[in-house]
Amino acid sequence: GAGVSQSPSNKVTEKGKDVELRCDPISGHTALYWYRQRLGQGLEFLIYFQGNSAPDKSGLPSDRFSAERTGESVSTLTIQRTQQEDSAVYLCASSLNWSGDYGYTFGSGTRLTVV
Amino acid sequence: KQEVTQIPAALSVPEGENLVLNCSFTDSAIYNLQWFRQDPGKGLTSLLLIQSSQREQTSGRLNASLDKSSGRSTLYIAASQPGDSATYLCAVSNWNDMRFGAGTRLTVKP
Repeated sequence: GAGVSQSPSNKVTEKGKDVELRCDPISGHTALYWYRQRLGQGLEFLIYFQGNSAPDKSGLPSDRFSAERTGESVSTLTIQRTQQEDSAVYLCASSLNWSGDYGYTFGSGTRLTVV
Repeated sequence: KQEVTQIPAALSVPEGENLVLNCSFTDSAIYNLQWFRQDPGKGLTSLLLIQSSQREQTSGRLNASLDKSSGRSTLYIAASQPGDSATYLCAVSNWNDMRFGAGTRLTVKP
């Protein structure tokens, strides 16, 4: 596609439920990032995928968070047993290669609200 | 671990002023630095990308400079307009990593 697409754009869920967020990167972009942005705060790195290499999961805040990506296609971020502290905007970005020589393109994000 | 700091955290100026936003980073071994704009409730829009071998990039009223050795970048906005009001984020890329500053919230008053 022309840009990075994220779905859903908004998600309201009850505490304790699982949610799945989706990111469609730009076609041909090998690198994909997930970030979290809490209200009024900066972007917090969650996880990075580069091609078929093992992902960098160093930013995942707890074992309730997991993400998958098959090859250079769609990625899903799953949050299990959601907590109110998980409420945030989850942003996905992709780049053509691992060094971001051509910059990074962000999706519009998924706003998650845990009630 | 790369640390990115943006100063000031917030800035309010009257329309027409020229202004400078600052970004500093702790690890100078970067691949590139990118400035983004974020409007309330929206995603990020890329403004300027500076490769590590470059010293500056310009787009319209925006000019971004990079001094890799000192770990600094500045975003210069000329003749500011109310439409420039947004949060400006600096992102620094190292080996397979991109770290953001907390942003500068800019308000341009008519």
